[in-house]
Amino acid sequence: DIQMTQSPSSLSASVGDRVTITCRASQGISNYLAWYQQKPGKVPKLLIYSASTLQSGVPSRFSGSGSGTDFTLTISSLQPEDVATYYCQRYGSVPLTFGGGTKVEIQ
Amino acid sequence: EVQLLESGGGLVQPGGSLRLSCAASGFTFSNFAMNWVRQAPGKGLEWVSGISGSGGSTYYADSVKGRFTISRDNSKNTVFLQIYSLGAEDTAVYYCAKPPHPGPPHYSDSWGQGTLVTVSS
Repeated sequence: DIQMTQSPSSLSASVGDRVTITCRASQGISNYLAWYQQKPGKVPKLLIYSASTLQSGVPSRFSGSGSGTDFTLTISSLQPEDVATYYCQRYGSVPLTFGGGTKVEIQ
Repeated sequence: EVQLLESGGGLVQPGGSLRLSCAASGFTFSNFAMNWVRQAPGKGLEWVSGISGSGGSTYYADSVKGRFTISRDNSKNTVFLQIYSLGAEDTAVYYCAKPPHPGPPHYSDSWGQGTLVTVSS
């Protein structure tokens, strides 16, 4: 099965900083990658699919890139409401594996 | 508006079994595959099972294969997850999740609020 590895597992940044989270697949998955945001005590929310397509209603400060095995989620200007854990997920075939998550905090 | 409402969670003894339900509304249920995703306390998300819109194809994570059975009743717009031989590692919030368009199990754009399963003696 394809494994999904996220890094870092946590980060702390200041408001306004550019934040980058990486997700690596153990085999090529084309662009079959989604990103989710999960705030404490809340349900996961879809941010990006097809590696780089922004879900409707998601702020434009979020962006995704990558193809094959290496993917990136970028928050261009970190806001207090972005405090959350972020997960990548591969799809296109089962199992629909998630990455381990990246916890983002404000410094 | 899409709504997914899970039920059936609770406290169960090790070795016991449980059936979770997810009642769906707001979309043509039989056209969509459905997924179950779980999250152990303080841990990450884990996809555990999926089922095609017709119910004819089912999919499982290796970690639950042989102990979990997914099914659906399209006449009642409900998907089920039967869990057998529960162990402490199955303690988690179980989410029902829907993909954005018809087809095979996919990423999810709609999630239920989850139902908590606690395995303890």
